[in-house]
Amino acid sequence: KAGVTQTPRYLIKTRGQQVTLSCSPISGHRSVSWYQQTPGQGLQFLFEYFSETQRNKGNFPGRFSGRQFSNSRSEMNVSTLELGDSALYLCASSRAVPSTDTQYFGPGTRLTVL
Amino acid sequence: AQTVTQSQPEMSVQEAETVTLSCTYDTSESDYYLFWYKQPPSRQMILVIRQEAYKQQNATENRFSVNFQKAAKSFSLKISDSQLGDAAMYFCAYSMSGTASKLTFGTGTRLQVTL
Repeated sequence: KAGVTQTPRYLIKTRGQQVTLSCSPISGHRSVSWYQQTPGQGLQFLFEYFSETQRNKGNFPGRFSGRQFSNSRSEMNVSTLELGDSALYLCASSRAVPSTDTQYFGPGTRLTVL
Repeated sequence: AQTVTQSQPEMSVQEAETVTLSCTYDTSESDYYLFWYKQPPSRQMILVIRQEAYKQQNATENRFSVNFQKAAKSFSLKISDSQLGDAAMYFCAYSMSGTASKLTFGTGTRLQVTL
């Protein structure tokens, strides 16, 4: 079974631009979560989507948004990029079945903001 | 709010030896999940082991085992017969019961494996 895939793997943008990252979950997984990883703040939860609805949200500004499609694929958008948005963005998927739930991560998208 | 603390930024172990990575957490919940994830230089986060809080038995996966002390809110990872491929960042993570889709991570422990 194919793992979680993320595209693109690397991105370079400039301040003020916007960016869209994509995540395809493992087949059969209905939940997709996004995390930001930086050397200073570590791994932080951004948001989770389940059945096309945002179910949980972390403490990030409104410039960070996402959506999920009917096939469970998810996109994350960051508008008006700031230098501090440079990070590894990780996507994780799970079956979202209580008591057996586990997240599996993709390889990440490395975003550099210049 | 839940917090996860890993007090060992770096650890080193010789090949074939055993090492224990520490993790403590704080929560007011009685039912939750705990995880150890491994992140090698490739940056791919890999699940090592998972523990449900309602289970008293410590989880084991081949050379990896945990010591789960619920009352002390402690969740350490023991790696036996360490191999060069075990070198990585190890993250302890917590999620509330019901869904593991919102993980709270510790700051990580970098494990070096020497010959």
